[in-house]
Amino acid sequence: GESVGLHLPTLSVQEGDNSIINCAYSNSASDYFIWYKQESGKGPQFIIDIRSNMDKRQGQRVTVLLNKTVKHLSLQIAATQPGDSAVYFCAENNRGDRGSTLGRLYFGRGTQLTVWP
Amino acid sequence: DGGITQSPKYLFRKEGQNVTLSCEQNLNHDAMYWYRQDPGQGLRLIYYSQIVNDFQKGDIAEGYSVSREKKESFPLTVTSAQKNPTAFYLCASRKGWNTEAFFGQGTRLTVV
Repeated sequence: GESVGLHLPTLSVQEGDNSIINCAYSNSASDYFIWYKQESGKGPQFIIDIRSNMDKRQGQRVTVLLNKTVKHLSLQIAATQPGDSAVYFCAENNRGDRGSTLGRLYFGRGTQLTVWP
Repeated sequence: DGGITQSPKYLFRKEGQNVTLSCEQNLNHDAMYWYRQDPGQGLRLIYYSQIVNDFQKGDIAEGYSVSREKKESFPLTVTSAQKNPTAFYLCASRKGWNTEAFFGQGTRLTVV
């Protein structure tokens, strides 16, 4: 089964507010995490990533927090805009039992973010 | 421009037919992936390949087949053995374990 899940399937916020999207993962061996944004009918787009040796990383208007103790990942979007409306996925990288150099990417179900004007 | 291209964007298949979805990348990435996405669901891994002439089954490989004869190409065949093939199929590639995967724009397959 999937080792990555999301706490909330939908999130509605008002334009200008901050958004927080949460993600739980179950595999403590996962070493790399990615957040993606997917608009309807399109492929996922990379937002930000974080390695397991970090607990925070910031990008433009986005921040990812990693709490390895409770296996939790969050994406914070500052000053949310209508163009941020999309489904957001977290993904975890697990090199697997074979010790492969690249490993597999596991995705959660996603959170639908809706931004109201 | 560098990128990953899937074709066709829409595909219709009659029951009992095999169809092949194309995925090409010019990013010089070693690893390529095929995912299936159903409405309101996450991405489920079908097959992945870390190097030419090698590939591994993902979580839902039954009814699908792949080949990796060239670094740039990773076609997916949906066979007649796949009982519920109607879905959105996404191809991705990545360079290394600590790098993001780049996705194509997807192929929407419908069985008629």
